[in-house]
Parts: sequence; structure tokens; C-alpha cells
Amino acid sequence: ILNVEQSPQSLHVQEGDSTNFTCSFPSSNFYALHWYRWETAKSPEALFVMTLNGDEKKKGRISATLNTKEGYSYLYIKGSQPEDSATYLCACYTGGFKTIFGAGTRLFVKA
Amino acid sequence: DGGITQSPKYLFRKEGQNVTLSCEQNLNHDAMYWYRQDPGQGLRLIYYSQIVNDFQKGDIAEGYSVSREKKESFPLTVTSAQKNPTAFYLCASSNKLAGGTDTQYFGPGTRLTVL
Repeated sequence: ILNVEQSPQSLHVQEGDSTNFTCSFPSSNFYALHWYRWETAKSPEALFVMTLNGDEKKKGRISATLNTKEGYSYLYIKGSQPEDSATYLCACYTGGFKTIFGAGTRLFVKA
Repeated sequence: DGGITQSPKYLFRKEGQNVTLSCEQNLNHDAMYWYRQDPGQGLRLIYYSQIVNDFQKGDIAEGYSVSREKKESFPLTVTSAQKNPTAFYLCASSNKLAGGTDTQYFGPGTRLTVL
């Protein structure tokens, strides 16, 4: 069974702090890595999709990197704001219709 | 507005009863998915459908059934055979692209509680 692991499980930071968290995935059978943001009482929304080793994506203060050889992706948030509070999910596509989701990192940003 | 809707938001069921969760999308997506979320776990795939009148079992299909009679609709029935149905259920859709780069669009979810 292929697993996608995310760490930490939860994270509390102060407004203005920069933070990062990790997604580990099996490097074999890798096709694509997705990051989603899931705010409480809303639907998960896509942030990034990455496919190539060394890929970097950026959206405002949020960026992500991908290392397919060692099987990890980092998500960075620069200068966290309270509105960044959410659960961040990563998902690894391994072929067919198989997308494996991690359990998420829950971020709390205190004003 | 284009999007994906699920109803109801909360659902209570007595043991031994079947219950159907609704999922509708107006994004013109071919692919639709049902996931289950339990505390501390990632989303797990129950069923998926690539096209109308076709669907495939995911990792945890036992005790569930689906239909795909229309492109817009992918209802999930939780049967009495599902041993532990209390969970949060998410529906999603996507334009299936080669290489798994398609973004999934999610509904707001249905929280099912078995009494």
C-alpha cells in the first residue's frame, strides 16, 4: 500500500511568521503531486500541481517545491496571516485513477 | 456559478437503513469521485466514474454503491452492509487529463452519522 505522509499534523504560528511543512510520497510510480488548501466549512481548493523533479511553484506568499527522487514536497508560507489558517492537503497521483491523499497539516495563525 | 454541490450537509441514519448522498456538478467534467474522510486519515477513494454509465471501485467500496446516469450527477448510496458508515463524505469532479495533472474540484461534503 502506497502512503502519503504529511508533517507536522498541526502547526500554530504567530501572524507574520514564515512556516513550512512536508509531504512525503513514494518516489516509485510517481506522476504528479497536488497541494490543496481546505478552510473550515469550505471545500478543498487546488493550490499547485507539480510533475517534474525540481519544480517550484508560487502563488502570492505561498510556494512549493518538489523532489521526486527522494519523494518529498515542501509547502512554504511567507509572513503567515490569519486567513492562511486552513488544512493543507497533498495528494500524489500514481497512475490510473489512483490519487493518494495525505492526512493534511492543519495550520493555525494567531493574530 | 460553476461548481459542485452536495446534499444534505448533515445526515443522520439509523442502523440497518440505506441512505443516498447527492452530488451534482455543472462544470461539464467527465470524471467524478467519492471520498471518505475519517479523523487523522487522508481522503480515501470509494468509487470513481470516468464517464456516464461507467464507474469503478476505489479502495474502500464495500458497503457502498453508485450510479452515473447523467454527466452532472453521481449519487452515493451507503448500504446497511457498510459496517462503519459514520464519516465525512466528499464528492469531487475533474476533467481527466493525462499524467494526473488534472485538478479535482470538491463539494462541501456531507457528514453522515449513524445512530
